[in-house]
Amino acid sequence: QVQLQESGPGLVKPSETLSLTCTVSGGSVSSGSYYWGWIRQPPGRGLEWIGYVFHSGSANYNPSLKSRVTISVDASKNQFSLKLSSVTAADTAVYYCARDYGDYLSRYFDLWGRGTLVTVSS
Amino acid sequence: SSELTQDPAVSVALGQTVRITCQGDSLRNSYASWYQQKPGQAPVLVIYGKNNRPSGIPDRFSGSRSGNTATLTITGAQAEDEADYFCNSRDSSGILYVFGSGTKVTVL
Repeated sequence: QVQLQESGPGLVKPSETLSLTCTVSGGSVSSGSYYWGWIRQPPGRGLEWIGYVFHSGSANYNPSLKSRVTISVDASKNQFSLKLSSVTAADTAVYYCARDYGDYLSRYFDLWGRGTLVTVSS
Repeated sequence: SSELTQDPAVSVALGQTVRITCQGDSLRNSYASWYQQKPGQAPVLVIYGKNNRPSGIPDRFSGSRSGNTATLTITGAQAEDEADYFCNSRDSSGILYVFGSGTKVTVL
């Protein structure tokens, strides 16, 4: 059974870089069938798609975050990671990693991590 | 437009049918997926594609699409269906994604 688990600091100072890792267990991040994505949810608000990475390392990002985001994959550790630079209080959210599957007509997030709360505060 | 619009809240009597809609131009070219989220929990996929349910999702959940509108239907709503529901699809670029703002479903 494939599982995803987020890890990283729960508190980040303003202007610094948020770094999170998602570990894939029971499956392989190198599978060509999936994209590996990050989604966040500010407290009391809706879901916001951040971006995804393919096993090759190619990635796509939400235009509103593109200048600050990097998503990468490490096949040797079976992990993928999120870096968000120059954070502010507006980046405080629960961050989820998720597996993205489907075809050109329909893609969906069929597996999610439990999420990790990241607070931006000095 | 790359936005997906959902009604903020709907209510349904126990055992009745509720329809949750998601509107956006991108839905003309791609199917929406739907996620159920209960307080303090991660979202769970309930519908994807034309009308597909992952294993373990009750058959009272169904999906449909007409023009630029996707609809999630819960037929015979149960108390445990009370949750927030989010739609998602690719945006107009076909490469990126967008979530709807979410609909809070209350079962009376």
